[in-house]
Amino acid sequence: GENVEQHPSTLSVQEGDSAVIKCTYSDSASNYFPWYKQELGKRPQLIIDIRSNVGEKKDQRIAVTLNKTAKHFSLHITETQPEDSAVYFCAAGPAGYQKVTFGIGTKLQVIP
Amino acid sequence: NAGVTQTPKFRVLKTGQSMTLLCAQDMNHEYMYWYRQDPGMGLRLIHYSVGEGTTAKGEVPDGYNVSRLKKQNFLLGLESAAPSQTSVYFCASRGGGVASSYNEQFFGPGTRLTVL
Repeated sequence: GENVEQHPSTLSVQEGDSAVIKCTYSDSASNYFPWYKQELGKRPQLIIDIRSNVGEKKDQRIAVTLNKTAKHFSLHITETQPEDSAVYFCAAGPAGYQKVTFGIGTKLQVIP
Repeated sequence: NAGVTQTPKFRVLKTGQSMTLLCAQDMNHEYMYWYRQDPGMGLRLIHYSVGEGTTAKGEVPDGYNVSRLKKQNFLLGLESAAPSQTSVYFCASRGGGVASSYNEQFFGPGTRLTVL
């Protein structure tokens, strides 16, 4: 089955700096890579996703890059703000998937 | 629309007791999932369903059973609770098909379960 590794497990950045979270996956059949954000005490929510026919996708301050050859993908957050503080999960699975596999999560702290 | 709801929000059980967690969605979604979230271990899939009347095992199915008798409901049962099942349980649902709009999983608010 799919194995998703995510790092770092914790990340602290100064407000305004950039944050990068990296994930690797094992199953070459995976071609759908979502990222979820979970604020403290809340439910996970999708913030961005990418399919393997696209190398990069942006949405305002967040972007995701994918290197299918190396089987890794990353989340980039620019100009971080205190409200970006949360746990971020990456995941991988085949498009039209029955299930995805999640990474262990990265706790991001943005220091004002 | 309420989206995905879970009942109860909190529960404390003694070892050996049984209980059922209820997940309901009003989005007419085909797929439903049960996850457990433990510190440092992310979201681990317990069981899932690809449609009414179907269920399948995920990564950590032992000690749990599920049923999907109605499309909108997905029940998670613990027959004989153990302290190792202390966790936060999340239900999620998503539409079927390969179109982009069907890929997002919508999560419920979670159930915090403590087994003493």
